[in-house]
Amino acid sequence: NAGVTQTPKFQVLKTGQSMTLQCAQDMNHEYMSWYRQDPGMGLRLIHYSVGAGITDQGEVPNGYNVSRSTTEDFPLRLLSAAPSQTSVYFCASSYVGGGGTEAFFGQGTRLTVV
Amino acid sequence: RKEVEQDPGPFNVPEGATVAFNCTYSNSASQSFFWYRQDCRKEPKLLMSVYSSGNEDGRFTAQLNRASQYISLLIRDSKLSDSATYLCVVMDNTNAGKSTFGDGTTLTVKP
Repeated sequence: NAGVTQTPKFQVLKTGQSMTLQCAQDMNHEYMSWYRQDPGMGLRLIHYSVGAGITDQGEVPNGYNVSRSTTEDFPLRLLSAAPSQTSVYFCASSYVGGGGTEAFFGQGTRLTVV
Repeated sequence: RKEVEQDPGPFNVPEGATVAFNCTYSNSASQSFFWYRQDCRKEPKLLMSVYSSGNEDGRFTAQLNRASQYISLLIRDSKLSDSATYLCVVMDNTNAGKSTFGDGTTLTVKP
């Protein structure tokens, strides 16, 4: 039961570098999302997708790009890393049905930008 | 004002205590409500959904008041293993199921 798989678990970047955080789910969920969590704070939505080929911005999209070419994968790209992007990143997926359903999270990626 | 606000905490309680967390939300279009639990340095996991009629799962009781846009979580007979951060989550089903998280309330249960 893989669920939501995120890679890498840890990453250190230098300012200005770019990288892609990977997220894959095997539950055939339509909805996928990326959050960042800073110390002592809740999760803030970066980008989300309601299905393959459809993405939209969340609360804090600047500096990040996403794409959704398949139902399973939802990678998050940092275009030019900045120290302010040091955070823990969580990918989540859920089935969008009537009444709302549980979101399943990956184990997180701890990113440090120096 | 934040869309979802929780008691800032932290809550430090002895084993066996009853503790209640409160959460308010501002988006009246919110349709689904959840409490998640997050252990230190781990991903959030669903604790329980919150229904209009209120619902109970063992020592945990969740209540929803739509008129006041208020959600609560009551934990009875606290255990050491209940120590965690509890996140209030509201979902707007009319907006692609977007979920908004509160900042969380940290509970520490002490022997």
